[in-house]
Amino acid sequence: GENVEQHPSTLSVQEGDSAVIKCTYSDSASNYFPWYKQELGKRPQLIIDIRSNVGEKKDQRIAVTLNKTAKHFSLHITETQPEDSAVYFCAASDLRGGSQGNLIFGKGTKLSVKP
Amino acid sequence: DVKVTQSSRYLVKRTGEKVFLECVQDMDHENMFWYRQDPGLGLRLIYFSYDVKMKEKGDIPEGYSVSREKKERFSLILESASTNQTSMYLCASCIGDVTGELFFGEGSRLTVL
Repeated sequence: GENVEQHPSTLSVQEGDSAVIKCTYSDSASNYFPWYKQELGKRPQLIIDIRSNVGEKKDQRIAVTLNKTAKHFSLHITETQPEDSAVYFCAASDLRGGSQGNLIFGKGTKLSVKP
Repeated sequence: DVKVTQSSRYLVKRTGEKVFLECVQDMDHENMFWYRQDPGLGLRLIYFSYDVKMKEKGDIPEGYSVSREKKERFSLILESASTNQTSMYLCASCIGDVTGELFFGEGSRLTVL
């Protein structure tokens, strides 16, 4: 099955700097790669996703890039703000278990943005 | 707004007890999932279901079972709770296949003494 590695496990940046979180996946059949943000004490929520037919996607200050050949994808946050502080999880689709499949998550990155 | 509700936010159980964690979603989603969240280990999939009475094992199914008798409800069962099952349990659901947004519940924090 799919395996997702995420780095770094913790990341501390100054407000206004950029932050980059990287993930690698093992199954070349995976075709969907979402990123979830979990603020302290809250549920994970989808912030951006990318499909395998696209190399890059942007949404305001966040962007995701995908390199299918190398089987890695990254989350980029520009002009970080204190409210970006959270745990970020990458995930990759796993098509086991019927046509619906499921998501395999990375171990998470705790991002701290210092004012 | 999609709502995924987990019936218990905090539970304390004793070793060997049977534990039920209930999850209900109100958006007629086909797919439902149970994840376990531990510090440094991320979200690990226990079981998932893509239809009523259907279930599939995730990565860590040992010690757990599930039940999906109705489309909106997905239950996680610990037949005989053990201390290593102390964790945060997250239920999630999504419509259609997995390439859509997962909606998570608030989580159930289980402590097994």
